[in-house]
Amino acid sequence: AQSVAQPEDQVNVAEGNPLTVKCTYSVSGNPYLFWYVQYPNRGLQFLLKYITGDNLVKGSYGFEAEFNKSQTSFHLKKPSALVSDSALYFCAVRAPSGGYNKLIFGAGTRLAVHP
Amino acid sequence: NAGVTQTPKFQVLKTGQSMTLQCAQDMNHEYMSWYRQDPGMGLRLIHYSVGAGITDQGEVPNGYNVSRSTTEDFPLRLLSAAPSQTSVYFCASKSTTDTQYFGPGTRLTVL
Repeated sequence: AQSVAQPEDQVNVAEGNPLTVKCTYSVSGNPYLFWYVQYPNRGLQFLLKYITGDNLVKGSYGFEAEFNKSQTSFHLKKPSALVSDSALYFCAVRAPSGGYNKLIFGAGTRLAVHP
Repeated sequence: NAGVTQTPKFQVLKTGQSMTLQCAQDMNHEYMSWYRQDPGMGLRLIHYSVGAGITDQGEVPNGYNVSRSTTEDFPLRLLSAAPSQTSVYFCASKSTTDTQYFGPGTRLTVL
């Protein structure tokens, strides 16, 4: 069965510092991996995805994520955090077959960027 | 292009009542899904549909029914509401490039 773990409930970062939000996954075969962001009282918004190709994926708002197959990780990163990046971030995984139609989400990590 | 719309935004039910959460999309996406969001548990898939007339169960389908008579609409029905169904419900549709588009959510409270 596929699963996603986000080991940190909350990440605190000072504005201007780099940020990392961690994600590890478990799935059979080559995974399809996604990051979504949720601002207060809003639905989720797509940030970026990895399906195949370059392990470093660039997405919206200056975010990027690195796919590491040996560590089964897909950590979200940004070189310089903004206060406006404060939100709830979700990692998600989909299997290439079997659970093809099921996108499984992690529990979410709350990012707080302090001025 | 409105994207994914959901109604109502808020709803309070008494235990045992039934209701339908509406979801519609205008992007002609074949795949649609319903999730519930609970604190500390992320989003859990309730039901999904890969096209009109085709639905299937997700992780937590018990207590919920769905149907898909058109490409645009994917309503979620609670036949007999229970307090455990208090949650925020999100509908989503997925493009052919595998990007999911989420609606604004319905906050449901069951007393």
